[in-house]
Amino acid sequence: IVLTQSPATLSVSPGESATLSCRASHSVTSNLAWYQQKPGQAPRLLIYATSARPAGVAARFGGSGFGTEFTLTITGLQSEDFAVYYCQQYNFWPITFGQGTRLDIK
Amino acid sequence: QVQLVESGGGVVQPGTSLRVSCVASGFTFIDYAMHWVRQTPGKGLEWVAVLSPDGDNADYGDSVKGRFTISRDNSKNTLSLQMNSLRDEDTATYYCARGIAGARAQDYWGRGTLVTVSS
Repeated sequence: IVLTQSPATLSVSPGESATLSCRASHSVTSNLAWYQQKPGQAPRLLIYATSARPAGVAARFGGSGFGTEFTLTITGLQSEDFAVYYCQQYNFWPITFGQGTRLDIK
Repeated sequence: QVQLVESGGGVVQPGTSLRVSCVASGFTFIDYAMHWVRQTPGKGLEWVAVLSPDGDNADYGDSVKGRFTISRDNSKNTLSLQMNSLRDEDTATYYCARGIAGARAQDYWGRGTLVTVSS
């Protein structure tokens, strides 16, 4: 399953909202996760099962979608949110990742 | 707290073997599936392998199938990845990650160990 993320880079001002997209080549139902990665750090799970947030993830991170189209929305961007974001499908083996969206400060 | 600490990375020549390991703490290791995920320098993420909690069921990414073997020692809270017939394109940081109960995403990750395959 190929995951295509868009845009490749997104420039947004602090306090605004950001919308990141992930498109799957075949339906992955709701088996999609989002990860955040900062330079020199391991990825961090933000969202799983399309919209579920693990404990400790801020409510400003929200996921939606089903099948082949998914969105990660971050509201009220804070300085620590500027990072690379990856989507991941785990509906089919092998698990696959998107190529990432870099969220930059505008 | 959950901790995953990888070790065993290094510089090796193409065609050789290397074993990387991950020691887990802060949770009941035997209750969770465990994954290896890698990241090439400056590039994206590639899922490598997963192993069931009891160690009986494994699955692999296409690029490593037949060359890499994932294993675990639940008595030592340790996950391992045996990498054979290494290629230049296996150069990456290898992360150990815990599987979420009831889903196949990964909720905790180690800091990674760098494997460099070069002649």
